[in-house]
Amino acid sequence: GIQVEQSPPDLILQEGANSTLRCNFSDSVNNLQWFHQNPWGQLINLFYIPSGTKQNGRLSATTVATERYSLLYISSSQTTDSGVYFCAVDRGAQKLVFGQGTRLTINP
Amino acid sequence: IAGITQAPTSQILAAGRRMTLRCTQDMRHNAMYWYRQDLGLGLRLIHYSNTAGTTGKGEVPDGYSVSRANTDDFPLTLASAVPSQTSVYFCASSLMIGQPQHFGDGTRLSIL
Repeated sequence: GIQVEQSPPDLILQEGANSTLRCNFSDSVNNLQWFHQNPWGQLINLFYIPSGTKQNGRLSATTVATERYSLLYISSSQTTDSGVYFCAVDRGAQKLVFGQGTRLTINP
Repeated sequence: IAGITQAPTSQILAAGRRMTLRCTQDMRHNAMYWYRQDLGLGLRLIHYSNTAGTTGKGEVPDGYSVSRANTDDFPLTLASAVPSQTSVYFCASSLMIGQPQHFGDGTRLSIL
């Protein structure tokens, strides 16, 4: 089946820093989603981005489908950005395959 | 407030007991899903439903059953709980299969 790899596994930054999270996938996909799991365990859908670039406030995402990767950018990090970021892909079937996540810690 | 409601938020259950996790959404989404989240294994799909009246098996369906009698509700049943089913369970929905998924707050289930 398709493999999804996220890097780095852990990232610790100071408030105000910028960060880039990467998601590589092993085969062509129909769609890709980025999620944030906050410290309370809630999963929030950040982006639905099968290709191209989207921006939402301090967050933006770019997916280059032909090269099988996606990037999530977080600018001017805040402590509330802490948590685990997951990317998930599917190939048009019912199964959304999740990566193992990047744990982001933003220190004040 | 529109969204997905899961109940209970947490439960401790004796092995061998039957348990139903409830999931209700008010967004009129056609597709619904159940995942389990385990340390080191990420989120894995248990069962899904494309639309009311239909269900399908995901990656880890054994020991679980679901039903979809109407658009809003998608309960997950453990017929005879075992300790390996200790996990955090998330229900999700999307307008249609392949569309952005939105998650409930999860149910933390411990089987002793």
